[in-house]
Amino acid sequence: RKEVEQDPGPFNVPEGATVAFNCTYSNSASQSFFWYRQDCRKEPKLLMSVYSSGNEDGRFTAQLNRASQYISLLIRDSKLSDSATYLCVVNPPGNTPLVFGKGTRLSVIA
Amino acid sequence: ETGVTQTPRHLVMGMTNKKSLKCEQHLGHNAMYWYKQSAKKPLELMFVYSLEERVENNSVPSRFSPECPNSSHLFLHLHTLQPEDSALYLCASSQPGSYTEAFFGQGTRLTVV
Repeated sequence: RKEVEQDPGPFNVPEGATVAFNCTYSNSASQSFFWYRQDCRKEPKLLMSVYSSGNEDGRFTAQLNRASQYISLLIRDSKLSDSATYLCVVNPPGNTPLVFGKGTRLSVIA
Repeated sequence: ETGVTQTPRHLVMGMTNKKSLKCEQHLGHNAMYWYKQSAKKPLELMFVYSLEERVENNSVPSRFSPECPNSSHLFLHLHTLQPEDSALYLCASSQPGSYTEAFFGQGTRLTVV
């Protein structure tokens, strides 16, 4: 299994739809997890940190499943402005740098 | 302002030129990263430095030469590049061993002519 793996997409969804992305990771001892958003030709920016209990920020919900070694991002009531690439990031154990997934592309269509 | 600053923001260079990209962070982070992103492609990790030592080199051609003189600064020296090296070059920093996220610079958009 790759260190961090994401479905590259693209996910093409209509406005108002609910869409979910999963990201799997290989190191079961990984410590913390993040979702980033990257707009075209811009740098990635932190969207959410992922806590063991799951967390929610408006239309966005992130969850962690340690047993199956994946994290998920759920977007409800999709907006056109949600169109972007969503990157999964995993913090391995010890003093090891972060590992980024290749990203999942989302297009929300009117 | 993310705390990670990259210069220049845009660079056009000829294939015989030598130039350097600079990344600076004052977040107290010990890890710094160079990524390349070509048009409509995912991020490609190039190099990772942790405590000023290179810990990862992802089969990057030798025409790209990184340098990390201290934990706050990271350079990418460019020499005899090819047009296909034109891309967005992104720098990031993080603090290994913590639970905190990485921060990205705004990138250098490089065009090789």
